[in-house]
Amino acid sequence: DGGITQSPKYLFRKEGQNVTLSCEQNLNHDAMYWYRQDPGQGLRLIYYSQIVNDFQKGDIAEGYSVSREKKESFPLTVTSAQKNPTAFYLCASSKRTVEYTEAFFGQGTRLTVV
Amino acid sequence: QKEVEQNSGPLSVPEGAIASLNCTYSDRGSQSFFWYRQYSGKSPELIMSIYSNGDKEDGRFTAQLNKASQYVSLLIRDSQPSDSATYLCAVGSSNTGKLIFGQGTTLQVKP
Repeated sequence: DGGITQSPKYLFRKEGQNVTLSCEQNLNHDAMYWYRQDPGQGLRLIYYSQIVNDFQKGDIAEGYSVSREKKESFPLTVTSAQKNPTAFYLCASSKRTVEYTEAFFGQGTRLTVV
Repeated sequence: QKEVEQNSGPLSVPEGAIASLNCTYSDRGSQSFFWYRQYSGKSPELIMSIYSNGDKEDGRFTAQLNKASQYVSLLIRDSQPSDSATYLCAVGSSNTGKLIFGQGTTLQVKP
């Protein structure tokens, strides 16, 4: 089945540790995105990539890093520089055309830093 | 000014009524507009997309777009308790490659 897979679903880490969240898609989508959602809030854009080996910072990129070495994969690393990393992280992908097409989401990773 | 703005609500409507959700955006270069539904603890689910001025209907949902006023709305007819969720407006620009979300409107449909 085609879709977007995020892993793990729940992640616990100690303060000061880097952690990498996985996002894989088999939809042959060009664009991929990472969002952060805090309780009662909307989605804030962390990083996005429109093509392999290229990515751009979103609105809240500080303390995060990404890579896009393969079309299917867009992992997000939450570094120790991120001051408040506990949140719900959502990965999405979309087909890149002249018009902006619909984005579809994975099931999310809930990160808790203790 | 936020790029995409929504009234956070909650918006409460009785079962069977029409729910009206609104969204404004700041980037005049935006070309694509989406409505997502998010149940508590789940990821967003796409319910409507609209690209041209006017109305687009899909079942009980109607999306309305007015680019001159930088305004997009979602109407839900015959609202059901199962429609109770947070509705997120998203705006895409192929110029920047960004897809930006509003903070969401919480809808409560009371039986």
